[in-house]
Parts: sequence; structure tokens; C-alpha cells
Amino acid sequence: RKEVEQDPGPFNVPEGATVAFNCTYSNSASQSFFWYRQDCRKEPKLLMSVYSSGNEDGRFTAQLNRASQYISLLIRDSKLSDSATYLCVVNTNAGKSTFGDGTTLTVKP
Amino acid sequence: NAGVTQTPKFQVLKTGQSMTLQCAQDMNHEYMSWYRQDPGMGLRLIHYSVGAGITDQGEVPNGYNVSRSTTEDFPLRLLSAAPSQTSVYFCASFQAPSGSGGALADTQYFGPGTRLTVL
Repeated sequence: RKEVEQDPGPFNVPEGATVAFNCTYSNSASQSFFWYRQDCRKEPKLLMSVYSSGNEDGRFTAQLNRASQYISLLIRDSKLSDSATYLCVVNTNAGKSTFGDGTTLTVKP
Repeated sequence: NAGVTQTPKFQVLKTGQSMTLQCAQDMNHEYMSWYRQDPGMGLRLIHYSVGAGITDQGEVPNGYNVSRSTTEDFPLRLLSAAPSQTSVYFCASFQAPSGSGGALADTQYFGPGTRLTVL
């Protein structure tokens, strides 16, 4: 079993749709959690950190459930520019990161 | 600040050749990592470093060596290239692990990647 598992996708949605991505992790020692965005095999860039209390940044909402070892990302009112691969990332406090395989989103007009 | 830089951007090698992928950061980050990304997959950790002089193996270290003589530089050496090492290689750095450097201290910053083909 992989340490970090994501919805395999791909997700193809119309503009304006709401889409949710899920991620689970197996290492209970994990300390911090992120969603990164990657465009066309370019370098990943931070989308948002994920906190236990949940956090929101505009149309994006991230949630963390430590008891279930589950992370989610919700995108509301999808835009064409949201088309990308979304990577779930889990860090330990020793500085080691583990990435999920990514979920590809395509937003269509 | 240039952030994280990597050279070269593209490289073609023949099986058995050796080479070094360069990575440098100017953010004074203690932690640096090397990842490879194969088609349809996420990033897999090759080696990482928690400071100058200290390195450790990640998930897929075989066939690669690293060293960290300065805070800024973290080169990755392919000892004898194999077709299975054809991949995109990303270098990343961050300030500190979660809990020790404040909020977002372990946010990783990535270089633009090196696309390596081994024939």
C-alpha cells in the first residue's frame, strides 16, 4: 500500500462545477499536509497548506481529519485555469516528504 | 532571489555514462531534496539533506549519489546511467520541518526540473 494515496482521476468537469479530491495517508507520524498544483510537467507549486481546523482560500477549501488520516480539497466554481494535476503531500517532522501520484483535473468550457 | 535553480534543463545520456545534475538555492534553506517523476506518477524522493554535511536516502536512492558541502548546493550524481533512470528530476528546498520553523516553514520550493533521457 502506498503511503499517500489519491483519487486516481482524471476528473473532467464543466466550468462552474464543484469538484472534490480525496487523499489518505498511512504514516501516523505525519506532521504537516499540503496540496500542490502541477501544470504540464512543470515544477509543483504550493496551492495551500492543510490544517485540522480546515482552511479556505477563495474558491479552494482544504480539510484534514487526523483520526481518519484523510485530506480533502474542494474547488468551487471551477475555472478553465484550474486545469492541472493536484498533488497531495505529507511531511514528517524529520523533513521527509511523500507525494501522492496526483489527480488530474480538466475544466471544459 | 533566484529561488531554486537547476542545470541542465535537458540532457541525453548513453547507457553507462555518468553525470551530475546541479541544484542551488539562495534562500538559506537547511533542507534540500531530490525527486524523480515518471509519467503518470507523483514525485518520488531520491535523497535528501537536512543541512550541510548531512544526507540521507529516500524512497529510490539506488544508482544515485549526493553530497552537501555547502548550504546552497546539492548536486545529484548518476554513477552509471541506465534507461530506467529516464525521468524528470526536481530539486526542492525548504526552511525547516513542521513545528520548528513556524507556519509554512516546510513549504517546499522547487526548481524547474531536468529532463533526462538515457538511451
